Amino acid sequence: KAGVTQTPRYLIKTRGQQVTLSCSPISGHRSVSWYQQTPGQGLQFLFEYFSETQRNKGNFPGRFSGRQFSNSRSEMNVSTLELGDSALYLCASSETENTEAFFGQGTRLTVV
Amino acid sequence: AQTVTQSQPEMSVQEAETVTLSCTYDTSESDYYLFWYKQPPSRQMILVIRQEAYKQQNATENRFSVNFQKAAKSFSLKISDSQLGDAAMYFCAYRSRWAGGTSYGKLTFGQGTILTVHP
Repeated sequence: KAGVTQTPRYLIKTRGQQVTLSCSPISGHRSVSWYQQTPGQGLQFLFEYFSETQRNKGNFPGRFSGRQFSNSRSEMNVSTLELGDSALYLCASSETENTEAFFGQGTRLTVV
Repeated sequence: AQTVTQSQPEMSVQEAETVTLSCTYDTSESDYYLFWYKQPPSRQMILVIRQEAYKQQNATENRFSVNFQKAAKSFSLKISDSQLGDAAMYFCAYRSRWAGGTSYGKLTFGQGTILTVHP
């Protein structure tokens, strides 16, 4: 089975721009969750989707949004980028919302 | 809300020796998962071991084992016969199994422990 695939691996964006990150989960997995990792804040939960529905959301501003498609692939979008959005964004997939999660390699976003 | 605490920012071990990483957590729930993840310099988060809270038996995966103390809310990871490839950041994580909880679906991570393995 293929693992979790995140694209792109690296991104450099300018303040004020928007960005879309993609995550393809392991085949058969219906839950996708997103995390932001920074040296200062560690790993923080962004949101979780199951069967195209957002089931939980972390404490992030509305500039951070996401969605999940019928094939379980997920995207997250960040609008009006700020310097502080520079981080490693990790996607994890699991069979359901309460089972073990497997991570992709992450997308490294740099905002300049 | 659940919290996970790793009190050791850094640990080191000699190759072939044994090391134990500590993790404590706080929750009012009774049904949950606990995990240890490893994040090497490549940044890929790798699942090392999992423990279901309702199972009293401690999980084991080859050289990795846990000491799960539910009443004390403690979940430590023991790495035996340490290898150079074990060097990484290790994260302890909690995941609720209760659909009615506000934390359902999310992983809550500790701050991480950097493990250095000396040859």
